Amino acid sequence: SQTIHQWPATLVQPVGSPLSLECTVEGTSNPNLYWYRQAAGRGLQLLFYSVGIGQISSEVPQNLSASRPQDRQFILSSKKLLLSDSGFYLCAWKRGPEVNEQFFGPGTRLTVL
Amino acid sequence: AQSVSQHNHHVILSEAASLELGCNYSYGGTVNLFWYVQYPGQHLQLLLKYFSGDPLVKGIKGFEAEFIKSKFSFNLRKPSVQWSDTAEYFCAVNTADTGRRALTFGSGTRLQVQP
Repeated sequence: SQTIHQWPATLVQPVGSPLSLECTVEGTSNPNLYWYRQAAGRGLQLLFYSVGIGQISSEVPQNLSASRPQDRQFILSSKKLLLSDSGFYLCAWKRGPEVNEQFFGPGTRLTVL
Repeated sequence: AQSVSQHNHHVILSEAASLELGCNYSYGGTVNLFWYVQYPGQHLQLLLKYFSGDPLVKGIKGFEAEFIKSKFSFNLRKPSVQWSDTAEYFCAVNTADTGRRALTFGSGTRLQVQP
């Protein structure tokens, strides 16, 4: 069966520090991968998606970047965190372009102080 | 671009009451529709989905949703809620003709069921 992992689960970082959140998927190959941010009362906002290794598409201009160094690994990064980067970050995957159901990871709660 | 509106932000019900959560989307083309649920401390998980066919969709735990194309709606219903239904519910839309196939989510509805 397929599983999706995210770490760390919780992170507290000072403003201006770097960030690296990791997401890995097991039990499938060539998944579409997604990073969402969930803000209180605002639902989930798509940040990045990837249809393959090294292929990243950004949905909104922001202080964050994403990379996909391996087929089942998706990384969310920042060189210098802002206060507004605080939130709950969710990684999701789905099987290829024809299937639309997405499966979500447990999330990372990031607090920038 | 498509958007999703969930008009009820916080709903409080007593056990055995009936539930209906509203979801409206704005997109004129073919859509796939989803309801996700996030129980306290748990992953976001799929409750039910509509791709095509019968517009009345039945999901897990006694939930159902009806797709009304003319109203651009996909409301979630349950005839009798339980305390364990306390969670946050998200409606989501995917337009089948976009390459990225990502989901556009509503802002969520927090359901609190009182015993």
